[in-house]
Amino acid sequence: SAVISQKPSRDICQRGTSLTIQCQVDSQVTMMFWYRQQPGQSLTLIATANQGSEATYESGFVIDKFPISRPNLTFSTLTVSNMSPEDSSIYLCSVVGTSENTGELFFGEGSRLTVL
Amino acid sequence: AQSVAQPEDQVNVAEGNPLTVKCTYSVSGNPYLFWYVQYPNRGLQFLLKYITGDNLVKGSYGFEAEFNKSQTSFHLKKPSALVSDSALYFCAVRRGPGNNRKLIWGLGTSLAVNP
Repeated sequence: SAVISQKPSRDICQRGTSLTIQCQVDSQVTMMFWYRQQPGQSLTLIATANQGSEATYESGFVIDKFPISRPNLTFSTLTVSNMSPEDSSIYLCSVVGTSENTGELFFGEGSRLTVL
Repeated sequence: AQSVAQPEDQVNVAEGNPLTVKCTYSVSGNPYLFWYVQYPNRGLQFLLKYITGDNLVKGSYGFEAEFNKSQTSFHLKKPSALVSDSALYFCAVRRGPGNNRKLIWGLGTSLAVNP
């Protein structure tokens, strides 16, 4: 299994500001995924980040709001731009396990954002 | 359309009793099924998966799950619950192999194990 570190673990942000979340993996991985978990809800995939190409966004998520970088095979960032209280969520970084064909995911500890 | 249902928002069991957390799914083709656990203020941890083979799969922390194709279910079980098992449990499904096929997530079931 991969060890995934996320920073920050939590933050309180003001409306209209932006925050960048970092995700560091202890091994090289092809695909990294960013999820959002709103209070009391399940996980929603925001985008898939591949090294060397643009991220692929899911329906309802756009690059202007959630820009993603993937500069190498062990690191990615997700920025939440122009935040509003509706962006208060846990943001989770994940990677596919060693057996990419079966596709179990491993997750970071999450970044809990509160927007005032 | 593919979907996952966890019919119980919350499950309460007494410590030492068996526990079951239910999951049913709808997916075309052969499903890949997963269970994850989320402890308070933590990320998700992978518990177990069913891909093929024996319908009863064993995972971490003494958990197991039984794949039932006719009932399209993948219920999570443990013979003897611990207070430390109290957490949020998510079932997820994907349609077959290929790492570009998204997981479909259930809404989660909160398990409370009472001492």
